[in-house]
Amino acid sequence: DVKVTQSSRYLVKRTGEKVFLECVQDMDHENMFWYRQDPGLGLRLIYFSYDVKMKEKGDIPEGYSVSREKKERFSLILESASTNQTSMYLCASSVPGDRDYEQYFGPGTRLTVT
Amino acid sequence: GQQLNQSPQSMFIQEGEDVSMNCTSSSIFNTWLWYKQDPGEGPVLLIALYKAGELTSNGRLTAQFGITRKDSFLNISASIPSDVGIYFCAGQLGDKIIFGKGTRLHILP
Repeated sequence: DVKVTQSSRYLVKRTGEKVFLECVQDMDHENMFWYRQDPGLGLRLIYFSYDVKMKEKGDIPEGYSVSREKKERFSLILESASTNQTSMYLCASSVPGDRDYEQYFGPGTRLTVT
Repeated sequence: GQQLNQSPQSMFIQEGEDVSMNCTSSSIFNTWLWYKQDPGEGPVLLIALYKAGELTSNGRLTAQFGITRKDSFLNISASIPSDVGIYFCAGQLGDKIIFGKGTRLHILP
């Protein structure tokens, strides 16, 4: 079974803090993704990566950056957290090829910025 | 941008009833996926569909890739309490995956 883990289930941070959300997958997947999920807006793609050291902007990258130093780990960084970044953050991974759209999600990190 | 219209937004049903939900789009998709998200958890892939007309089952779940490639439905037969959650459709368009906003399923005792 694919296992995608996220470093925290719940996180509370103050406005202006730098926040790191970590995601690790154990199935040697090349592709990794970060989404945020908000009521009424569904899942929105923030950033994705198809390989180590590689990153691509998704639909809503503003206010975020990412790091992919190792294949199994994809980090989402909020350089200066703001209250409008309070959300559920979901990491996902997939294998490139015919089935690369079958994404496997982690349990999510619910971030509250006060 | 492209959108998936998923309906209904929420459903209240009795245990044992069958459930049907669907997604439609004005765009043609190459792949349709159905996910389920339990409260407080991440989405879990239920069914993936790769060909127009394809009908695939996973236990009590059945999903179909519409012939026009612009829609898909998911049926759940004989619902049980653990079916509660949010069901998402997702469609692949080019190199992007687009998610519907979800159908929240409630089961009445």
